[in-house]
Amino acid sequence: AQSVTQPDIHITVSEGASLELRCNYSYGATPYLFWYVQSPGQGLQLLLKYFSGDTLVQGIKGFEAEFKRSQSSFNLRKPSVHWSDAAEYFCAVGNNAGNMLTFGGGTRLMVKP
Amino acid sequence: NAGVTQTPKFRILKIGQSMTLQCTQDMNHNYMYWYRQDPGMGLKLIYYSVGAGITDKGEVPNGYNVSRSTTEDFPLRLELAAPSQTSVYFCASSFPQGKNTEAFFGQGTRLTVV
Repeated sequence: AQSVTQPDIHITVSEGASLELRCNYSYGATPYLFWYVQSPGQGLQLLLKYFSGDTLVQGIKGFEAEFKRSQSSFNLRKPSVHWSDAAEYFCAVGNNAGNMLTFGGGTRLMVKP
Repeated sequence: NAGVTQTPKFRILKIGQSMTLQCTQDMNHNYMYWYRQDPGMGLKLIYYSVGAGITDKGEVPNGYNVSRSTTEDFPLRLELAAPSQTSVYFCASSFPQGKNTEAFFGQGTRLTVV
């Protein structure tokens, strides 16, 4: 069965500092990986996705993520965090049939002025 | 372009009551999903549908029912509400192109069972 672990429940960074959110997955085949962001009271918005090819993928809002098969990881990064990035971030893995997403528990990001 | 629309946004139910959470999408997506979100637990899949007339159980289906009579609508029914069903419910839809399973989410329904 597929699974996703986000080890950090809460992270606080200063505005302008760099950010890395960790994601580890378990899946028997080539994974399809996603990062979503959820602002308070809102639904989930897709930040970026990985299916194949270049292991460094670019997303919206200046985010990027790197797929590392050897470490079963798909960490999300941003070089300089803005106050508006404060939200909850979810990593997810999709199955080969394309009909199911499994989510991690989420990481809540707080940004200090 | 409305995307995925859920109603209501908030609801309080008494134990044993029933209700239907509505979900509709205008993107002509054939796949639709219901998730529940509990603090620190991420989103858990309740039911999904790959097209009109076809539904399947997800990870946590007990206490819920769904139907899919049209491409656009995917209502979630709670019978005999229990406190354990207090949660935020999200409906999502997708149109997988190959394995491009990008899901679009509604804004959620916050349900409290008292």
